[in-house]
Amino acid sequence: DAGVTQSPTHLIKTRGQQVTLRCSPKSGHDTVSWYQQALGQGPQFIFQYYEEEERQRGNFPDRFSGHQFPNYSSELNVNALLLGDSALYLCASSFGTFSYNEQFFGPGTRLTVL
Amino acid sequence: GQQLNQSPQSMFIQEGEDVSMNCTSSSIFNTWLWYKQDPGEGPVLLIALYKAGELTSNGRLTAQFGITRKDSFLNISASIPSDVGIYFCAGDAGNNRKLIWGLGTSLAVNP
Repeated sequence: DAGVTQSPTHLIKTRGQQVTLRCSPKSGHDTVSWYQQALGQGPQFIFQYYEEEERQRGNFPDRFSGHQFPNYSSELNVNALLLGDSALYLCASSFGTFSYNEQFFGPGTRLTVL
Repeated sequence: GQQLNQSPQSMFIQEGEDVSMNCTSSSIFNTWLWYKQDPGEGPVLLIALYKAGELTSNGRLTAQFGITRKDSFLNISASIPSDVGIYFCAGDAGNNRKLIWGLGTSLAVNP
């Protein structure tokens, strides 16, 4: 049983470009949360998707958007990239009635903006 | 963004020693969580605390949810080399699934 998977593993972009990161939740999970983790920092909550809709959102600008597909996989899109968007982007999945005990993180996508 | 006050920032200890780290917040939390993150990996949940005063163990790890609901600590007893990593506390203030995280405690264990 595969856990949470994310792609790509690493990505290099230049300022102003757009990027799409992908997440496949753990089998049986239907909720996906995205976090940004800058170097030397703790993760920051971006948003959470459930039933293909954004359910919660952190303090991130509209340049950060997402999508959830019928198979529960999710994408994180970032437009007009800034140098400060360089970070590890983590995806976490869970199921239904939410319990942190049953939320699992993927290995992340390392985004570098030059 | 908001982050919790986690201390110490880093620790270098001898194998077999006990470790203690803590986390404080200016606001009340309903849930306190402790995670470990290894290089190139996502965080892994170690202990979840849901009630003020709760003391929970997971093997050599013990964590407590402070009575004021504004702090939590994590103890690791008899450390071993595989305990090396970054430990994060995280809290949920309103059961809204928006976790707020500490800056992490980096633990190094000398065999």
